[in-house]
Amino acid sequence: ETGVTQTPRHLVMGMTNKKSLKCEQHLGHNAMYWYKQSAKKPLELMFVYSLEERVENNSVPSRFSPECPNSSHLFLHLHTLQPEDSALYLCASSQSSVNTEAFFGQGTRLTVV
Amino acid sequence: KQEVTQIPAALSVPEGENLVLNCSFTDSAIYNLQWFRQDPGKGLTSLLLIQSSQREQTSGRLNASLDKSSGRSTLYIAASQPGDSATYLCAVRPEDSNYQLIWGAGTKLIIKP
Repeated sequence: ETGVTQTPRHLVMGMTNKKSLKCEQHLGHNAMYWYKQSAKKPLELMFVYSLEERVENNSVPSRFSPECPNSSHLFLHLHTLQPEDSALYLCASSQSSVNTEAFFGQGTRLTVV
Repeated sequence: KQEVTQIPAALSVPEGENLVLNCSFTDSAIYNLQWFRQDPGKGLTSLLLIQSSQREQTSGRLNASLDKSSGRSTLYIAASQPGDSATYLCAVRPEDSNYQLIWGAGTKLIIKP
């Protein structure tokens, strides 16, 4: 399998639940990203990992907790979310260099009820 | 602060027409600009990446141009097809960040058969 794969594709969770989103890339990249896409808003960068170290954390609430166990895998752990956190969560990867292309997964559509 | 604007927000044209999508950015200090396509509820597919030193890139029926000094990029689609219907997003990588992409809100394109 090639590219960036996200699971699950759809997730419905209650505000008291704990769930995790998974992202896997098969492109040999060393940087991975989590983005949030809400309706009618530009994409928002949440977290960046480069060489398995978190290099950017854009003021994201602590109810979102990322984990990058190796350069091919990225998780987003979710707990006590709010309805306004419902969105499409996109994972991306690239080489850790400013002039490289970013590749995205298909996203996880999250609904918080 | 870098801002990216895409005009128009939506565009509907008959099949077979050539069309141009526009992307403008306020700060010319960028490493590159990337065009993406997004189908409803799906992830992003990278279309073209233009480095700041380049003027244009071509892939099949797509041609993207970059005028860094004026802060503009265009995506030209030749001989449009219904399968081209999607939202097209542009993003710039600013020189003051290794990982950030600054995104436009997208142009929703509908190609009528």
